[in-house]
Amino acid sequence: SQTIHQWPATLVQPVGSPLSLECTVEGTSNPNLYWYRQAAGRGLQLLFYSVGIGQISSEVPQNLSASRPQDRQFILSSKKLLLSDSGFYLCAWSVSRTMIEQYFGPGTRLTVT
Amino acid sequence: AQSVAQPEDQVNVAEGNPLTVKCTYSVSGNPYLFWYVQYPNRGLQFLLKYITGDNLVKGSYGFEAEFNKSQTSFHLKKPSALVSDSALYFCAVRAPPYSTLTFGKGTMLLVSP
Repeated sequence: SQTIHQWPATLVQPVGSPLSLECTVEGTSNPNLYWYRQAAGRGLQLLFYSVGIGQISSEVPQNLSASRPQDRQFILSSKKLLLSDSGFYLCAWSVSRTMIEQYFGPGTRLTVT
Repeated sequence: AQSVAQPEDQVNVAEGNPLTVKCTYSVSGNPYLFWYVQYPNRGLQFLLKYITGDNLVKGSYGFEAEFNKSQTSFHLKKPSALVSDSALYFCAVRAPPYSTLTFGKGTMLLVSP
């Protein structure tokens, strides 16, 4: 069966520091991968998605970037964090563009101080 | 553009009573519709989906949803609520062939003993 991992589970970082969040998927090949942010107001915002290695689509211009160095690895990064980057970051996967539903990881709680 | 509306921030129901969480959508063409549930500080769990066919869709944990094309709605229902159903529920829509989902803002379901 497929599983999705995210780490770290929680992170407290000062303003201006760099960020690296990692997501990996097991048990499937060539998944579509997604990064979402969930702010305190509960809504989910799609940040990035990837349909293959090195292929990144950005949905919202922001202080963040994403990379996909391996087939089942998706990384969310920032060079300098802002207070507004605080939130709950969720990684998700789907089998391919035609796969209907997405499956989510456990999330990373980021607090920027 | 596609959009989802969940008109209720919170739904309160007594254990054993039926529950309904409302969702309406706007999309060009035939929609793919989804319900997810989120427990505190956890990732989203997939509950059910509508792609085509029978308008009544059955999913996990006894939940079901009814697709109504004329009213552009996809309400989540359960005949008998449990206290453990208390969580945040998200409706989502996707317009094929695109691979991204648009989520509603979420509805908090509180089931009292």
